[in-house]
Amino acid sequence: EVQLVESGGGLVQPGGSLRLSCAASGFTFSDHYMDWVRQAPGKGLEWVGRSRNKANSYTTEYTASVKGRFTVSRDDSKSSLYLQMNNLKTEDTAVYYCARVGSGWPYDYWGQGTLVTVSS
Amino acid sequence: DIQMTQSPSAMSASVGDRVTITCRASQGIRNDLGWYQQKPGKVPKRLIYAASSLQSGVPSRFSGSGSGTEFTLTISSLQPEDFATYYCLQHNSYPLTFGQGTKVEIK
Repeated sequence: EVQLVESGGGLVQPGGSLRLSCAASGFTFSDHYMDWVRQAPGKGLEWVGRSRNKANSYTTEYTASVKGRFTVSRDDSKSSLYLQMNNLKTEDTAVYYCARVGSGWPYDYWGQGTLVTVSS
Repeated sequence: DIQMTQSPSAMSASVGDRVTITCRASQGIRNDLGWYQQKPGKVPKRLIYAASSLQSGVPSRFSGSGSGTEFTLTISSLQPEDFATYYCLQHNSYPLTFGQGTKVEIK
């Protein structure tokens, strides 16, 4: 059974940092692109960033609003995806989901999400 | 960036109604589009991928169509469990972009 379990969310002050983790199981993690998607309270879904797989050199993509502040990384040996978030802003407050790109088509599996609150 | 314009943003419908939701892309995206259902407090669930392919386990009353810039999600006969918010997502080019969502409520 495919499972994605996020952790690391919490309350952080503006300008602070946080690292989210997504532990994957039930599939060959190294084969898949993995994404982060977020949802601000009461708002719609927003794509945050992507980690391509080993075959594509683990390259990454980001939405403009987080570029230079957020870093997506992965450790295939631990079947884990990460999101390092620096210089956090109040508008980064959201539930953050990790999601699997299955056979080239997003997203066949999602984690349960982890809430990040940026507030003083 | 490719803008995805979903319509309507909200609608009221009755059980048994045929429901159609549209997503328009600001430029052609071939069939690089998926549809997702999200219920309050729950994780999004994929219904359709590649514009018209039904996700395994999703009831056949859901269907998708379109290519290029105009896409449609149709629910042939709305069921009580279908009241939710629906999103389209284009993955043709970066950044990936979602539509703003369509909330389907009970009439």
